[in-house]
Amino acid sequence: DAGVIQSPRHEVTEMGQEVTLRCKPISGHDYLFWYRQTMMRGLELLIYFNNNVPIDDSGMPEDRFSAKMPNASFSTLKIQPSEPRDSAVYFCASRTGTSGNTYNEQFFGPGTRLTVL
Amino acid sequence: LAKTTQPISMDSYEGQEVNITCSHNNIATNDYITWYQQFPSQGPRFIIQGYKTKVTNEVASLFIPADRKSSTLSLPRVSLSDTAVYYCLVGDMEAGNMLTFGGGTRLMVKP
Repeated sequence: DAGVIQSPRHEVTEMGQEVTLRCKPISGHDYLFWYRQTMMRGLELLIYFNNNVPIDDSGMPEDRFSAKMPNASFSTLKIQPSEPRDSAVYFCASRTGTSGNTYNEQFFGPGTRLTVL
Repeated sequence: LAKTTQPISMDSYEGQEVNITCSHNNIATNDYITWYQQFPSQGPRFIIQGYKTKVTNEVASLFIPADRKSSTLSLPRVSLSDTAVYYCLVGDMEAGNMLTFGGGTRLMVKP
């Protein structure tokens, strides 16, 4: 299993440009999560999906951010327009569904380092 | 979600046992305690989880006292490769989706 796959690994863009981050979760996982990590704010949950449906997007910072999951094997996080304060590492994670007393750990991807100039 | 408090950083030497303590005074009855590890330039990785008493796996041990208001992650005989940030998380397993990562403990293992 290749694990959670994210692309691109690094993205440098200019303020005002649209940025699209991509994630392929582990096959068979029902949940997908998008996180953002910065030195100032640490690791923050932005949004998560269950069976391709967005469940909680309360962590999305503002309307410039949007996330979609068109199918079980693909999700995107889009920032439009991007701003320098969006510079961060964005992680995607996935896990299986909750099953009784068994904790289902989240498996994180390698992250996308975004720099907005 | 219960708030957690853990030391910002710790130093150790190779071969030593490292104990990282996390305080979670407001832990709820249904909450579990979970630890994640994050290496530089990587995403966090699950280490261990427990509810009470002691849990041990091939990587670490987790000690939880009876009142569950704190927990201690124990790493036996650390090596340089254990240098990482360690996060303590507390939450309901059913609501385990909402992982809230605090600042974590930055462990530096020296030769």
